This record gives sequence, structure tokens and C-alpha cells, in this order.
Amino acid sequence: QKEVEQDPGPLSVPEGAIVSLNCTYSNSAFQYFMWYRQYSRKGPELLMYTYSSGNKEDGRFTAQVDKSSKYISLFIRDSQPSDSATYLCAPTGNFNKFYFGSGTKLNVKP
Amino acid sequence: NAGVTQTPKFRVLKTGQSMTLLCAQDMNHEYMYWYRQDPGMGLRLIHYSVGEGTTAKGEVPDGYNVSRLKKQNFLLGLESAAPSQTSVYFCASGRGGGGSYEQYFGPGTRLTVT
Repeated sequence: QKEVEQDPGPLSVPEGAIVSLNCTYSNSAFQYFMWYRQYSRKGPELLMYTYSSGNKEDGRFTAQVDKSSKYISLFIRDSQPSDSATYLCAPTGNFNKFYFGSGTKLNVKP
Repeated sequence: NAGVTQTPKFRVLKTGQSMTLLCAQDMNHEYMYWYRQDPGMGLRLIHYSVGEGTTAKGEVPDGYNVSRLKKQNFLLGLESAAPSQTSVYFCASGRGGGGSYEQYFGPGTRLTVT
């Protein structure tokens, strides 16, 4: 069983739509949950992260963690064409090993 | 600050050839990582280092070696390249402490082994 499962998409939405990106994980020891954004032919960059269960909001982005069901979500409100990228979830329990999902490719059409 | 830089950006090797990928960071980070990214597989950790002079195996270490002789540099070596090592390689660094789990990634090296 993979440590992290993520729907690869691609996901295509019109500008202004609400986007929901999701991951499931198997290791109950994970406590930090990160979302990275990766533009085409670039390295990933950290978008936001949460600790343990709950929600965290940053502008148009909201990260949500449900540890009881081992489910991670990222919501994007009022999506923009500039949000078109691949989004990677990355839960971890320590600094030594990070497990990345395979990434969901998002395309926001103007 | 340049952040994390990787050399070279592109490389084509023949099977059996060797090469070294260089990663450099100017953020004084203790932790450094090498990943490979393949379609549908996400980022997989090859090797990592928790400080100068230390290295450890990640998820997919076979066929690779690493060295961290200086804190700012992390080298990834392929002794005898195989077509299965065709991939995009990313280096990352991080503070590894103080509640900061953020990794800073380089731009990647696209390697093709024929």
C-alpha cells in the first residue's frame, strides 16, 4: 500500500470555480501535512501546511485534515488561470522522510 | 540569495556511463535531500543528509551514491547509468528543526539514459 494516494487528474475548471484537491494516507504517525505547488518544468514550492487535524486558511486557499479518516484536502476559492499547476500533498512525521502524493494537475480555463 | 541551485539542467547519458549531479544551497540549511520524479509516481526520496559529513538512504537508493563534504553542497552520483534512471532529479534543503518542515527545491535536472 502506498503511503500517500492522490488522484492524478487532470482537473479542468472554469475561472472562478471552487476547486477541491484530495489525498489519503496510511501512516497514523503523520502529523504535519503540506501542500506543494509545482508549475510546469519547475521545482515544487510550499503552498501551505497544517499540523494535526483541523483547517487552515491562507487567502483563497484552505487546507483541511481529518486524521480519523486519514484524509487531506486543499480548497481553492475563486480559482485563477495562474493557479494552473500540479498540486502535491506531502504528509510527514519527521524531518527525515517526506512522502509525496503523485500530484493532481489542475487547469483553470479563462 | 540564489536559494537551491542544481547543475547541470539537462544531460543525456549512454547506458553504463557515470555522472555527478551537484546541488548547492546558500540558506545555511542542515538538511538536504535528493528526489526523483517520474510520471504517475510523484517525488521519491533517493538519499538525504541531516548535516555535513552525514548521509542516509531514502526510499529508492539503489544505483545512486551521495556525498556531503560541505554543508552547502550535496552531490548525487550515478556510477553506471541505466535506462531506468531516466527521470527528473530534484534537490531540496530544509532547516529540519524549530517546527519548520518546509523544503526548498531546486529547478531540477532532466536526465535521459539511452
